Amino acid sequence: EIVLTQSPATLSLSPGERATLSCRASQSVSSYLAWYQQKPGQAPRLLIYDASNRATGIPARFSGSGSGTDFTLTISSLEPEDFAVYYCQQRSNWPPLYTFGQGTKLEIK
Amino acid sequence: EVQLVESGGGLVQPGGSLRLSCAASGFTFSSYWMSWVRQAPGKGLEWVANIKQDGSEKYYVDSVKGRFTISRDNAKNSLYLQMNSLRAEDTAVYYCARLGTGHGMDVWGQGTTVTVSS
Repeated sequence: EIVLTQSPATLSLSPGERATLSCRASQSVSSYLAWYQQKPGQAPRLLIYDASNRATGIPARFSGSGSGTDFTLTISSLEPEDFAVYYCQQRSNWPPLYTFGQGTKLEIK
Repeated sequence: EVQLVESGGGLVQPGGSLRLSCAASGFTFSSYWMSWVRQAPGKGLEWVANIKQDGSEKYYVDSVKGRFTISRDNAKNSLYLQMNSLRAEDTAVYYCARLGTGHGMDVWGQGTTVTVSS
């Protein structure tokens, strides 16, 4: 089973700052890595798929990078609506099994 | 509008059963893999199960194998999760999600709450 470890658990930043969130896999997940944003009481929203592709309607300030076991979600300049919990998720090659990281809470400093 | 709407959640005793439904609209349901994902109170996301477009392949997280069954009815644009032998640790909000072409879950329902308690 592939385990995803996200860091930090909590990130305290101010609007306008740059956010860098990390996701490390216990073994290579190729590029089958996605990022989600979840706000309280809401369903998750897909931000990034296949490590670096922005989902439909996602602002350009969100970007993803990485391959193999180390992945990063970057928010270039934080907007007030970006403060939320972020999850990474991987899909194993075959069979197609999915796991999520434990999440990073991005809070206002 | 692309939409997923879950239903069927509720309070059930340990050892009991429940069947969740997810109604899809606004897209060609039969063209997509579908998933169930759950979130225990105050916890993170956990993938539960996947089903292929024609229902011929199904995959589960180890903790629900033998107890949960995912199924679909493409004629009714509906996804299901039959949950048997429910345990307290199955208490969660259950989301259905569409698996997009890029290996991400690109459409989510609003979730339905399952509480397992005596």
